[in-house]
Amino acid sequence: SAVISQKPSRDICQRGTSLTIQCQVDSQVTMMFWYRQQPGQSLTLIATANQGSEATYESGFVIDKFPISRPNLTFSTLTVSNMSPEDSSIYLCSVQPGGYGYTFGSGTRLTVV
Amino acid sequence: AQSVAQPEDQVNVAEGNPLTVKCTYSVSGNPYLFWYVQYPNRGLQFLLKYITGDNLVKGSYGFEAEFNKSQTSFHLKKPSALVSDSALYFCAVRDTNSNSGYALNFGKGTSLLVTP
Repeated sequence: SAVISQKPSRDICQRGTSLTIQCQVDSQVTMMFWYRQQPGQSLTLIATANQGSEATYESGFVIDKFPISRPNLTFSTLTVSNMSPEDSSIYLCSVQPGGYGYTFGSGTRLTVV
Repeated sequence: AQSVAQPEDQVNVAEGNPLTVKCTYSVSGNPYLFWYVQYPNRGLQFLLKYITGDNLVKGSYGFEAEFNKSQTSFHLKKPSALVSDSALYFCAVRDTNSNSGYALNFGKGTSLLVTP
């Protein structure tokens, strides 16, 4: 299975600013998934990132707010833009390296003040 | 859309007793079902999955799950609970929508509390 390094693990940010979250995978994967977990809630898919093409966003999530970069098969970034306190959540990346298994990063705990 | 439901927000069990965390699914076609556990301030850890084959799936840390097609259920079980099993448990199903890249759709989660 793949190993994901996700950074930062946590951050406290001022409203109106942006934060970029990085995920580095130790093997090449086609798809990378970005999820949001609001306090006390389940995981909600934000978007799917395929290398070489624009990310596909789920309903309720837009590229201007959550731009995603996928420059190669082992790396992706998610930016949370123009943050408000409602963006305070845990953000997780995930990959499916094969065999129907899904691996998750350790998450980024974001607090917006 | 493929979805799962976890009817219980919290399950309490005494250490040493068997535990069950419930999950039901709603899918078109054959379901690919998963269980993950989340400990405080940590990411999701994979427990087990059902793709095809035997209805009883054995996973990590002594957990198992039974796929029941007639009841559309995939309940997580463990014969003897440990205090260290206390965590948040998520049931998930693989999406069949290629636009999502076949991402996982998660249930709301069930908090398991095992008391000494």
